[in-house]
Amino acid sequence: KAGVTQTPRYLIKTRGQQVTLSCSPISGHRSVSWYQQTPGQGLQFLFEYFSETQRNKGNFPGRFSGRQFSNSRSEMNVSTLELGDSALYLCASSLAGWGAGNEQFFGPGTRLTVL
Amino acid sequence: GQQLNQSPQSMFIQEGEDVSMNCTSSSIFNTWLWYKQDPGEGPVLLIALYKAGELTSNGRLTAQFGITRKDSFLNISASIPSDVGIYFCAGQRNNDMRFGAGTRLTVKP
Repeated sequence: KAGVTQTPRYLIKTRGQQVTLSCSPISGHRSVSWYQQTPGQGLQFLFEYFSETQRNKGNFPGRFSGRQFSNSRSEMNVSTLELGDSALYLCASSLAGWGAGNEQFFGPGTRLTVL
Repeated sequence: GQQLNQSPQSMFIQEGEDVSMNCTSSSIFNTWLWYKQDPGEGPVLLIALYKAGELTSNGRLTAQFGITRKDSFLNISASIPSDVGIYFCAGQRNNDMRFGAGTRLTVKP
């Protein structure tokens, strides 16, 4: 069974631009969560999608948004990029969310650098 | 939000030694998870714990869900060079998921 895939793996943008990252979950998984990982703040939860609906949301500004398609693939968009948005963006998929029997499996991440 | 308190931050050990790391929180969690992350990769789930007091093993790894539901520890026995990496704990409760800052493990052959 293929794991979680994320594209692209690396991305370089300049301040003010916007970016879209993609995540394909494990086949059969309907929940996709997004995380930001930085050396200073560690892993921080962005949002979770289930059946095309945002179900949970972390404490990030509205510049960070996402969506999920009917095939469970998810995209994350960051608008008006700032230098501080440079990070490794990870997505994780699980069968139906969080909790017993719904372990999250992470993708390899997209390394975003904002210049 | 407040992340979990994970310690130690880093460890340098000799191959064959045992390792112990832990996570504490001021909040109660229903689930504790332990992940390992290699450079340039996403975290890989090692052990999941769902009940207070639960002790679970995965090969040389053993983890426990604290009785108070506010802490968890991970032990690695007889470490080997491929154990090198960053280990993260995660606590989960309802719609809240928090992570520790990670323990960077270095194993000297």
